[in-house]
Amino acid sequence: NAGVTQTPKFQVLKTGQSMTLQCAQDMNHEYMSWYRQDPGMGLRLIHYSVGAGITDQGEVPNGYNVSRSTTEDFPLRLLSAAPSQTSVYFCASRATDSLYYEQYFGPGTRLTVT
Amino acid sequence: AQRVTQPEKLLSVFKGAPVELKCNYSYSGSPELFWYVQYSRQRLQLLLRHISRESIKGFTADLNKGETSFHLKKPFAQEEDSAMYYCALMGATNKLIFGTGTLLAVQP
Repeated sequence: NAGVTQTPKFQVLKTGQSMTLQCAQDMNHEYMSWYRQDPGMGLRLIHYSVGAGITDQGEVPNGYNVSRSTTEDFPLRLLSAAPSQTSVYFCASRATDSLYYEQYFGPGTRLTVT
Repeated sequence: AQRVTQPEKLLSVFKGAPVELKCNYSYSGSPELFWYVQYSRQRLQLLLRHISRESIKGFTADLNKGETSFHLKKPFAQEEDSAMYYCALMGATNKLIFGTGTLLAVQP
């Protein structure tokens, strides 16, 4: 199986534009999440979902929306892009019935907002 | 609130030297703690978790609840250990919170 996939790999946006970062997993994981990775800041949780139809905010949710209509997909929407949203975005998933909680990450999307 | 602190942004050692990557946490309950690693041009992956008490690629980490620490150690560093290392904590909400990361550079 493919694991966690993300599209696109790279994206350049102008300030004010909107876009959706796609994330999909084929492991039937209930839990999915989005992080952004910035130098010196580590990975910060944006939004997460514990199952289809259920989403919640993480540490840095402002400026981002998510939805979870299926178990497989968890898109991240930027409503009106700002330069502060220039970052590398990672999607991750894990099973919730495992004691070991291993989280699987996608390859990342590098976003630049000019 | 959950918080993970990794005080070193960069740790540079010579091949064969011991390595200790520091991680301290703040959490009022019983945390699950993890170390994740990101090698150059690869995706982030799990290195080890405290619940398993395992040794992976020669690395170990012991949870010290008194000092609220989960330091990552390896007795003899190898060049292939060069990577970004993240300590992470999961609390009762099931959110996985990461520290700021430490870049380990192993010099030949």
